[in-house]
Amino acid sequence: GAVVSQHPSRVICKSGTSVKIECRSLDFQATTMFWYRQFPKQSLMLMATSNEGSKATYEQGVEKDKFLINHASLTLSTLTVTSAHPEDSSFYICSARPTGGSFYGYTFGSGTRLTVV
Amino acid sequence: EDKVVQSPLSLVVHEGDTVTLNCSYEVTNFRSLLWYKQEKKAPTFLFMLTSSGIEKKSGRLSSILDKKELFSILNITATQTGDSAVYLCAAPYGGATNKLIFGTGTLLAVQP
Repeated sequence: GAVVSQHPSRVICKSGTSVKIECRSLDFQATTMFWYRQFPKQSLMLMATSNEGSKATYEQGVEKDKFLINHASLTLSTLTVTSAHPEDSSFYICSARPTGGSFYGYTFGSGTRLTVV
Repeated sequence: EDKVVQSPLSLVVHEGDTVTLNCSYEVTNFRSLLWYKQEKKAPTFLFMLTSSGIEKKSGRLSSILDKKELFSILNITATQTGDSAVYLCAAPYGGATNKLIFGTGTLLAVQP
């Protein structure tokens, strides 16, 4: 089945530094990947849609300069949290769907727990 | 505005009980509704529902969609402690991009 690998699973960084999170589709190509954020005991909130070879589309209220997304290949999307602050601490999850696949095929990465101290 | 709402927000039951989780939605150009189980990390896919009244079943879990009343239910019979998780429903929206909008989730705790 389709597998999405997300790294790192857990990261602690100092306030003001940047953190990069990788999302890879291991056995399929994904033109589109999605980045979500999840606060404790809350649901997944879509942050942005990552499009291979073009700019990401951000949801309302998400700062594009704060959360930089790069989707340089059909199997890799990265999310960089720039100048991180404690309020950026959260659980970040990516998902991908095989190009041309149905809704059935959404696969999620295992998530990244970011803690900014 | 598209939205998906789940109830209850949390639920505590004992092993062997049967539970029903609810999901209502308002999604423009509705196409399907998906159920996921999330334990500690990534959500795992349970069901995709596209047609009203057709039950999807997998072991002790089953789900059905009512497109007239705009809701879905997820049933779990003979619950086990391993069923403890957050159950999420979601619906694709946003046209060709097929983004998913998630419900608030139901936290299920099954006690021995």
